[in-house]
Amino acid sequence: NAGVTQTPKFQVLKTGQSMTLQCAQDMNHEYMSWYRQDPGMGLRLIHYSVGAGITDQGEVPNGYNVSRSTTEDFPLRLLSAAPSQTSVYFCASWAGNYGYTFGSGTRLTVV
Amino acid sequence: GQQLNQSPQSMFIQEGEDVSMNCTSSSIFNTWLWYKQDPGEGPVLLIALYKAGELTSNGRLTAQFGITRKDSFLNISASIPSDVGIYFCAGQAPGGNKLVFGAGTILRVKS
Repeated sequence: NAGVTQTPKFQVLKTGQSMTLQCAQDMNHEYMSWYRQDPGMGLRLIHYSVGAGITDQGEVPNGYNVSRSTTEDFPLRLLSAAPSQTSVYFCASWAGNYGYTFGSGTRLTVV
Repeated sequence: GQQLNQSPQSMFIQEGEDVSMNCTSSSIFNTWLWYKQDPGEGPVLLIALYKAGELTSNGRLTAQFGITRKDSFLNISASIPSDVGIYFCAGQAPGGNKLVFGAGTILRVKS
């Protein structure tokens, strides 16, 4: 099925560990983004990309890295996990019309 | 940065009642979007608005793009139990690709 696929769905990390959240879309969308969702704060933009090889920072980029080597994939890397990064992470892609398409999320707990 | 004020924060209504929620901004937007998020899932687009004054319906849902381009509302008529979830507004500023999200309205329905 066409859409945005995120893996893993759940993850528990220890403080200081690193990991990569995967995001892939098969709709040939140029624009992809990562959001984190925390209670009462809506979705906040972490990083975004307007095409392969182009990335930029969003509202809350500290502690995260991204790269965009292909149109399909947009992984999010946590360099050294901290408890403040406990959140639900959503990847989204956009073709310019009809709003963003979101993945089903990755629930991350940092202990 | 740009902020969206979404209200109310939560609603607990009787099945069959109508629901109204809105978003306001201090700056103008070119696009207003309304999303619904079910538990454990990513947000799903309900309605997209692209022109000031536009009024769009999707079944029992109706949304409007405010004339000033700084606000939008979403109405749900004759609520049913499956309307339960979190509703987010999102706006896209002129010349930008990024979406700004409201903090969400939690809707609970008593049957």
